[in-house]
Amino acid sequence: DAGVIQSPRHEVTEMGQEVTLRCKPISGHNSLFWYRQTMMRGLELLIYFNNNVPIDDSGMPEDRFSAKMPNASFSTLKIQPSEPRDSAVYFCASTLFSSGANVLTFGAGSRLTVL
Amino acid sequence: AQKITQTQPGMFVQEKEAVTLDCTYDTSDPSYGLFWYKQPSSGEMIFLIYQGSYDQQNATEGRYSLNFQKARKSANLVISASQLGDSAMYFCATSGTYKYIFGTGTRLKVLA
Repeated sequence: DAGVIQSPRHEVTEMGQEVTLRCKPISGHNSLFWYRQTMMRGLELLIYFNNNVPIDDSGMPEDRFSAKMPNASFSTLKIQPSEPRDSAVYFCASTLFSSGANVLTFGAGSRLTVL
Repeated sequence: AQKITQTQPGMFVQEKEAVTLDCTYDTSDPSYGLFWYKQPSSGEMIFLIYQGSYDQQNATEGRYSLNFQKARKSANLVISASQLGDSAMYFCATSGTYKYIFGTGTRLKVLA
């Protein structure tokens, strides 16, 4: 398997622009997570989906952030409008919830810089 | 609510020595998992080891072992025979129903 695939790997944009981050989870996994990593706040859970349904979006910082999972193989995280404080590494991760270890597999991350 | 506490922002260890990275957790879920991940300077998150809350024995994976003390709510990572390549950030995490929460991490530096 190719693992969790995120795009773009790097994004530089100007304040006010729309940013869309994409994620393809591992085939067969039924849960997907979006995290944001910054030096100040560490790894924050933004939102997670189970069977394509958002379960908990309480970590989404504000209405400028939205996430969708239209099918089992694709998810997006959108920021509109972007602000400099949104600069961070955004990770997507997936797992198959079962009776086992449910190890979370991460993508390589998308590094966002908002000028 | 779930919470992970890693009280050591940074640690040093001499090459070939053992090191323990501390992790305490809090969760209301009756069944949960405990995980350790490594993040080298390249940025990827690498899974190291898992412990289930009902597992009787401490988990081991090669040079990694998890010292699980349920009554104390601790899940410390022990790295034996440290190598220069072990220099990285290490994150402890817990999973309950669907949700995975991470600690703030410990930066480990292995000295030659």
